This record gives sequence, structure tokens and C-alpha cells, in this order.
Amino acid sequence: AQSVTQLGSHVSVSEGALVLLRCNYSSSVPPYLFWYVQYPNQGLQLLLKYTTGATLVKGINGFEAEFKKSETSFHLTKPSAHMSDAAEYFCAVSDRKGSQGNLIFGKGTKLSVKP
Amino acid sequence: GAVVSQHPSRVICKSGTSVKIECRSLDFQATTMFWYRQFPKKSLMLMATSNEGSKATYEQGVEKDKFLINHASLTLSTLTVTSAHPEDSSFYICSAPRGFSYNEQFFGPGTRLTVL
Repeated sequence: AQSVTQLGSHVSVSEGALVLLRCNYSSSVPPYLFWYVQYPNQGLQLLLKYTTGATLVKGINGFEAEFKKSETSFHLTKPSAHMSDAAEYFCAVSDRKGSQGNLIFGKGTKLSVKP
Repeated sequence: GAVVSQHPSRVICKSGTSVKIECRSLDFQATTMFWYRQFPKKSLMLMATSNEGSKATYEQGVEKDKFLINHASLTLSTLTVTSAHPEDSSFYICSAPRGFSYNEQFFGPGTRLTVL
């Protein structure tokens, strides 16, 4: 069975500081990996995804993530935090062999950005 | 990008009534749609997979008779919460995959259900 672990339910950074949100996954097959962002009372928005190819994936809003197979990790980073980055972030995994392709989500990490 | 809409965005109902939530793919056809439920400060939990032209597939622990799903067309799936109770209050989100890869999913904005 697949699972996703996000370390830290709440991360707080200062504006301009590095953002690092951690995600580790468990999968019996090479997974597809995703990061989503959710603003208050809104649906999910895809930040970035890894399927195949380059392990360093760049997404929207200056975010990027690196797939590290040896560490079963897919941590999300951004060099310089903006106030507008404050939101809930979800890491998700999908079994590429799954017949329906449903996503398994981590519990989420709430990012706060201090001025 | 692909757009998925949900209606209503917010609904408040009395205990014992039924509520219907619509999920539409606006610019693409979706033979499959997914329904998730999100509890406060919790992650999304897959409830069921809606299949156009056939019965929905429910995840373990989800009551089929309580959460009725109908995939009426290639662009519309509905979730009906029957005989709603306060414990059904939650944020319900649908998603639809586009194209041949089910892993390219687009999410609706969600529906906030409050049962009094």
C-alpha cells in the first residue's frame, strides 16, 4: 500500500527566507508525485508534479521539488518566501499502475509567513 | 488549463434533509471523477470513484446508501448526501482526470457542507 508522510503539520518562516516542506512516500512501484496548494476555503491547485525524466521539477510560483528515489523523498522548496505563499500544502502520490489513478494525500503542512 | 466546477460552493441544511453537490468538467470530458472529503485540519480522503455509465466504486468505510453518486454524463457527476447529519458536515472536493493519464487530475473548488 502507498502512503505519504509530511513532516511538520505547521511550518513558519519569515518573508524572504527559504521554504522547505518535507514529504516522504512509500510505494511498491515508481510513483507519480505531486504537490498541491490549498488556500482557505478553496480547492486544490497543482504546484508541480514528477512523473518521469528530470528529478528536479519546477512548478508555479517559484516552487520546485526534487525526487530522490534513494531517500523516497519529494521535498518542496522555494528560495524566498512571500506573504502570498501562506497556505496549506499537500504532497500526494499515485500508483502509476493503478487502474484508476486516485491520489493518496499526506496530512498537509500549513505554511505561515511572517513579515 | 482544464477547469472543474462545483455547485454549490457552500450549503447549510437541516439534519435529515438531502443535499446534492454537482461536479462539472467545463472544457473536457471525464469518464471518471473522484470525490474526496476533507475534515478540518485533515487531509483529503478519497470517498469514491464516479464512473460514467456504470456504478460508482466506493472506498472502504464509505456508506453507499448515504453518499449517492451519479455520473450522468461525460461532464457531470453528482454526490447526494442523504439524510444528512451534523457529522456529515465537511468540505467535499471533486476531481477529474483529463486525457489518457489518470494522474493529471484537476480539482474543483470544493463545497462546504454544514448540517445543523
